[in-house]
Amino acid sequence: SQTIHQWPATLVQPVGSPLSLECTVEGTSNPNLYWYRQAAGRGLQLLFYSVGIGQISSEVPQNLSASRPQDRQFILSSKKLLLSDSGFYLCAAPRQGSGANVLTFGAGSRLTVL
Amino acid sequence: GDSVTQMEGPVTLSEEAFLTINCTYTATGYPSLFWYVQYPGEGLQLLLKATKADDKGSNKGFEATYRKETTSFHLEKGSVQVSDSAVYFCALRREYGNKLVFGAGTILRVKS
Repeated sequence: SQTIHQWPATLVQPVGSPLSLECTVEGTSNPNLYWYRQAAGRGLQLLFYSVGIGQISSEVPQNLSASRPQDRQFILSSKKLLLSDSGFYLCAAPRQGSGANVLTFGAGSRLTVL
Repeated sequence: GDSVTQMEGPVTLSEEAFLTINCTYTATGYPSLFWYVQYPGEGLQLLLKATKADDKGSNKGFEATYRKETTSFHLEKGSVQVSDSAVYFCALRREYGNKLVFGAGTILRVKS
């Protein structure tokens, strides 16, 4: 069955420090992958999506970047964190057999920037 | 652009009360509609979905009907339990798209 792993689960970082959040997917191949952010008191915002290795689309201008070095690996990064980068980051992929109609989410990574 | 609007929360109910969480959408064509649930400290899970007008999605006692005429997909449950306390997200996927657009989420708190 399809599983999405995210780490770290929680992270506290100072302003100006770098960031790397990792997402790996098991049980599927060549999936579309998504990074969403859930900020406090706000809904889910799509940050990036990827249809394949090295292919990244950014949905909103921001301080973050994404990379897809392998088929089932999706990384969210920043060179210098801002306070506004705090939030809950969720990686997602279409559920197998759903015709890309349903997303499966990882457990999330909670980032606090101080 | 596509958007989803949900009623603001938090919604606080007593156990066994009737639940309605309103959701309306704006999208061209015939999007697919979803309700996701996020339990405390966890990621999102699909609760139910509907892919065409007049479809009713249902799961775990929750229901929602895709109403094209009112562009709505309201979530209902006849008798809530404390374990239903969570954040509920309404979402849509454009007819020929591959991205989900989410509403802001509605916090539900059920008291015993």
